[in-house]
Amino acid sequence: GAGVSQTPSNKVTEKGKYVELRCDPISGHTALYWYRQSLGQGPEFLIYFQGTGAADDSGLPNDRFFAVRPEGSVSTLKIQRTERGDSAVYLCASSLKPTYRVGPGNEQFFGPGTRLTVL
Amino acid sequence: GDSVTQMEGPVTLSEEAFLTINCTYTATGYPSLFWYVQYPGEGLQLLLKATKADDKGSNKGFEATYRKETTSFHLEKGSVQVSDSAVYFCALSDADGGATNKLIFGTGTLLAVQP
Repeated sequence: GAGVSQTPSNKVTEKGKYVELRCDPISGHTALYWYRQSLGQGPEFLIYFQGTGAADDSGLPNDRFFAVRPEGSVSTLKIQRTERGDSAVYLCASSLKPTYRVGPGNEQFFGPGTRLTVL
Repeated sequence: GDSVTQMEGPVTLSEEAFLTINCTYTATGYPSLFWYVQYPGEGLQLLLKATKADDKGSNKGFEATYRKETTSFHLEKGSVQVSDSAVYFCALSDADGGATNKLIFGTGTLLAVQP
């Protein structure tokens, strides 16, 4: 089966523009995560969806960032009024089931990422 | 808050050398610990994990033991190959703390293995 896919793979935009990044999780995975990876750093958590709802958005840096998952599958990360500091690789991950305890079925599978460059 | 600290790279080794990449963590609960690997041009992949103290995770010749007394999860491999060249990330998930199961990553260590 297909893994997590993300589109576009690369996005170049100008400062102040609006961008949307798409994540298509593994079919049947109910949990979906967004992370941001800046150059030379590890991924940083942004937001977690359980089904259609954002169960934890504590990692979103400010109100310019917003994410949706209207049907509990595909998710879109939206960034308004982009700034140069938003330049990073945006990673999406999904896991089979929600849980508060790591175990079988809880492994997060990562997509290849979208490289966002804000000029 | 929870955090992960891993040794800075790059780590450059000759083929068949012994590898250690140090990782220590800070967490309020009882986290699960992970090593992820990112090969050139590819996405993050789970390499191994351990969910409780004294557990040993292993995969592809790599091992790491969850040491609660030293809050460490060092990655080791007895004989590295050129194909092991990649960036390695240590991570934790504070599964006891709530429902999120989010991962907290270290900054990554670049491993370069020379033939």
